[in-house]
Amino acid sequence: AQTVTQSQPEMSVQEAETVTLSCTYDTSESDYYLFWYKQPPSRQMILVIRQEAYKQQNATENRFSVNFQKAAKSFSLKISDSQLGDAAMYFCAYRTTGNQFYFGTGTSLTVIP
Amino acid sequence: KAGVTQTPRYLIKTRGQQVTLSCSPISGHRSVSWYQQTPGQGLQFLFEYFSETQRNKGNFPGRFSGRQFSNSRSEMNVSTLELGDSALYLCASSRVGGWLETQYFGPGTRLLVL
Repeated sequence: AQTVTQSQPEMSVQEAETVTLSCTYDTSESDYYLFWYKQPPSRQMILVIRQEAYKQQNATENRFSVNFQKAAKSFSLKISDSQLGDAAMYFCAYRTTGNQFYFGTGTSLTVIP
Repeated sequence: KAGVTQTPRYLIKTRGQQVTLSCSPISGHRSVSWYQQTPGQGLQFLFEYFSETQRNKGNFPGRFSGRQFSNSRSEMNVSTLELGDSALYLCASSRVGGWLETQYFGPGTRLLVL
């Protein structure tokens, strides 16, 4: 069975600094999709970044980038130049070719002014 | 384009009752998935509907059911509510639910069971 593990329940970062959120997953599939979602307090979940497993190049979206290590089944999110608006719960998610989603338990990120 | 909408936003029920939650996907989206979010378990996949048919199902008891209408709107029903059903219920839509597609989430319905 697929599982997604986020080992850091809480993280904090100084404004303008860089923070990395970790995520590991367990699967026997070779094709899949990985995501990071952001859920601000009392607001809806939005997609931050996604990575296709067959692509070796790490995905980047502005200040957000991932470090995808397929062999290690690791998918970390790096947030550069952290802003106050980045404060949220971040979820790592795995999607199977059979179209099922598995989410981690989330990392709560605090941005310190 | 309007986003995914869910109604009601908040709901309080008592044990043993049943509840129906509604989700309207983004216009043109035909796939709707439902998730349960709790502090202890995180997000867990309930089921996915496409073209009025349940296409995928997570590991939840039969008390949790759903349906989808011809306009792609979806409803989720929970019968015989238990205290542990208290959660944020999220729905997400995508165009056809392909595994390479991005899902767009609604704001959720927060259910409290007393």
